[in-house]
Amino acid sequence: DIQMTQSPSSLSASVGDRVTITCRASQGISDYFNWYQQKPGKAPRLLIFAASRLQSGFPSRFSGSGSGTDFTLTITSLQPEDFATYFCQQTFTTPPTFGQGTKLEIK
Amino acid sequence: EVQLVESGGDLVRPGGSLRLSCAVSGFTFSRYWMSWVRQAPGKGLESVANINTDGNEKYYVASVEGRFTISRDNAQNSLYLEMNSLRAEDTAVYYCARGDLRNYNGLDVWGQGTTVTVSS
Repeated sequence: DIQMTQSPSSLSASVGDRVTITCRASQGISDYFNWYQQKPGKAPRLLIFAASRLQSGFPSRFSGSGSGTDFTLTITSLQPEDFATYFCQQTFTTPPTFGQGTKLEIK
Repeated sequence: EVQLVESGGDLVRPGGSLRLSCAVSGFTFSRYWMSWVRQAPGKGLESVANINTDGNEKYYVASVEGRFTISRDNAQNSLYLEMNSLRAEDTAVYYCARGDLRNYNGLDVWGQGTTVTVSS
């Protein structure tokens, strides 16, 4: 199975900050890669698909990049509603696997 | 409004069975692959199974294959997950989601989840 490793596992930041979350795949996955946002007690929401394509409903302060094994989620100018847990996922091979999550907390 | 509503979660003893349902509205159900994803308490997300549009192609992760069965009823706009021989490690919130777990485009709509607890 492809292992997806996110870093950091948790992150404290302030409103207005720029933050970057990374995800590394244990082998190359091209751009078969997604990011999900999950708030406490809620279902995940698809945030970025195909590594860099923003899902409708999310603001442009979210962006994704990367290909192969290394991927990045960037949030510019953090807003209060962005504090959540973010999960990465690869769909290049079966089984589709998720990262362990990055919890973004208010500083 | 696009909506997925899961039901059927419960407390069940190890070795027991349970059937989860997912009622869909707001889109043409029969045109979409559907998936189940689970999340153990305080843990990350884990793929479980998915099914194609007419129900004749199914995928299961190794940990549930042979014990779980995914199915759908397009006339009833419903997705199901039959779970047998349940184990403690199956304890999780189970989400149904629109899309193919293995697809490039991700799972774009999720239900609110239903909780399965396997314990004696």
